[in-house]
Amino acid sequence: NAGVTQTPKFQVLKTGQSMTLQCAQDMNHEYMSWYRQDPGMGLRLIHYSVGAGITDQGEVPNGYNVSRSTTEDFPLRLLSAAPSQTSVYFCASRPLVNSPLHFGNGTRLTVT
Amino acid sequence: TQLLEQSPQFLSIQEGENLTVYCNSSSVFSSLQWYRQEPGEGPVLLVTVVTGGEVKKLKRLTFQFGDARKDSSLHITAAQPGDTGLYLCAGEYAGNMLTFGGGTRLMVKP
Repeated sequence: NAGVTQTPKFQVLKTGQSMTLQCAQDMNHEYMSWYRQDPGMGLRLIHYSVGAGITDQGEVPNGYNVSRSTTEDFPLRLLSAAPSQTSVYFCASRPLVNSPLHFGNGTRLTVT
Repeated sequence: TQLLEQSPQFLSIQEGENLTVYCNSSSVFSSLQWYRQEPGEGPVLLVTVVTGGEVKKLKRLTFQFGDARKDSSLHITAAQPGDTGLYLCAGEYAGNMLTFGGGTRLMVKP
């Protein structure tokens, strides 16, 4: 099993550019989520999904969009990148609530 | 403002020492999870505690969930260099949201 796969591993954007961070899982997990990790801030929840066709906002959703057209994929879109979005982004999945999260290895994004 | 406050933020100790990491909140959580993260990787689950007052042991690591399910602690006995890493607590709330504390970066020197 590959688990949770994130691409790309690294990305540099200029302010105002758009991009999509990809996340795929092969564990048939219903729940998927995106977090960003900044020094001293732990991980903060951006968006999450409890199943295909269902998405909801987390703690810091502004500036990010998500969609969940299949169980396997949960892409995160930045429509107009800002320097404040420089961070490490983690995608995570789990079979249901109150179960542990399985994380990808992260995407390190720099916005200049 | 984070729901979960972790302390200390940084801890540097010698091999063989004991240490405790705290995770505190004013909110009640249905469960609390502890993760460990290595550089360049995602966090990996260590343990989940569900019942108030619950104590779980994982070799030299002891996890406790507060009676009111608002706080938790991680105690490491006789720390080893292999314990070095970032320790994160995470609380389940609002039915399906998992919120993380700010993390404790532990360094154990040989």
